[in-house]
Amino acid sequence: KNQVEQSPQSLIILEGKNCTLQCNYTVSPFSNLRWYKQDTGRGPVSLTIMTFSENTKSNGRYTATLDADTKQSSLHITASQLSDSASYICVVRTYNTDKLIFGTGTRLQVFP
Amino acid sequence: DGGITQSPKYLFRKEGQNVTLSCEQNLNHDAMYWYRQDPGQGLRLIYYSQIVNDFQKGDIAEGYSVSREKKESFPLTVTSAQKNPTAFYLCATRVGGQETQYFGPGTRLLVL
Repeated sequence: KNQVEQSPQSLIILEGKNCTLQCNYTVSPFSNLRWYKQDTGRGPVSLTIMTFSENTKSNGRYTATLDADTKQSSLHITASQLSDSASYICVVRTYNTDKLIFGTGTRLQVFP
Repeated sequence: DGGITQSPKYLFRKEGQNVTLSCEQNLNHDAMYWYRQDPGQGLRLIYYSQIVNDFQKGDIAEGYSVSREKKESFPLTVTSAQKNPTAFYLCATRVGGQETQYFGPGTRLLVL
């Protein structure tokens, strides 16, 4: 069964600290993996997308990694800001289809 | 959210009533999608449409209906057959030939 699991479910950090969110997937055949940021009560916004051959991709203070062998991805946030408070959703696309498998998300709260 | 409008932001419905959620886009994107988001669960696909006058069922289409009479519009009707309609509904669009889905701001539906 195609699944995407994220950990932790929730995370609280202080402003300025770094954090790492995890995503494990069992989706096959794999096409790409994307991280979305979703502010409370809003629609998700794409942060990064990685294909099978990519190990790392950055978008400002956000750095995503992908290990296609172990089927794991992580999203590292550097020098967190209050505006980073949101849910972060890992999404995997199956190859040659329009189907997306969504994780349940990690809710990050950044406190001053 | 870009050029995707979902209205209303909040919607209240009495049991047994049908209700229609609006999704309009001015991005000239070909594909449009409806997702449902529940607490603790990943987004689930309700319906999607690749072109005008054509649409396909997603994973949880029962109790929902859609139409795609215009490229810009993809309304979702939640019928009385949907037994647990309270949720956050997200509309998304995608330009043909690209993979990124862009999400609207969402509509929160509450059944009274």
